Amino acid sequence: GENVEQHPSTLSVQEGDSAVIKCTYSDSASNYFPWYKQELGKRPQLIIDIRSNVGEKKDQRIAVTLNKTAKHFSLHITETQPEDSAVYFCAASGTNAGKSTFGDGTTLTVKP
Amino acid sequence: DAGVIQSPRHEVTEMGQEVTLRCKPISGHDYLFWYRQTMMRGLELLIYFNNNVPIDDSGMPEDRFSAKMPNASFSTLKIQPSEPRDSAVYFCASSFDYGYTFGSGTRLTVV
Repeated sequence: GENVEQHPSTLSVQEGDSAVIKCTYSDSASNYFPWYKQELGKRPQLIIDIRSNVGEKKDQRIAVTLNKTAKHFSLHITETQPEDSAVYFCAASGTNAGKSTFGDGTTLTVKP
Repeated sequence: DAGVIQSPRHEVTEMGQEVTLRCKPISGHDYLFWYRQTMMRGLELLIYFNNNVPIDDSGMPEDRFSAKMPNASFSTLKIQPSEPRDSAVYFCASSFDYGYTFGSGTRLTVV
């Protein structure tokens, strides 16, 4: 089955700096890559996603890139703010339609 | 839309008791997932349904866990008998295309 690895497990940045979280996947048939943000005590929420026919997608301060050849994808957050502090999960799906395999999460701390 | 609705939000029960968690997915979503989240094990997929049919229950830890989806608008996850190691946050999620919408979760504490 699909295996998703996520790095780093923890990330601390100063407010205003950029943050990058990277994920790799094993199943070349995967074609959908969502990212979820989970604030402390809250539910995971979908913040951005990318499909395999697109190399990059942006939404204000966040962007995702996908390299299908290398089977990795990344989340980029620019001009980080304290409210960006949360756990971020990457995921991949494709061969089992509807079922996503999640990474282990990255705890991002933005220091004011 | 009220989103994915889970109940109860918190449940404290004694070891050996039966626990039932409930989920109402978003109308029109054809996939429903049950996840368990702990600090040690992260997000674990327990079981998922497509059009009310269980597709993969390989994540269900043992026979004490069971899940049903009698119709498109309701699902239950039952633990009988409950044990302290079952303490976790249980999330239900639904989807139509690929992205998940999670419920607020049920925080289960078994003492």
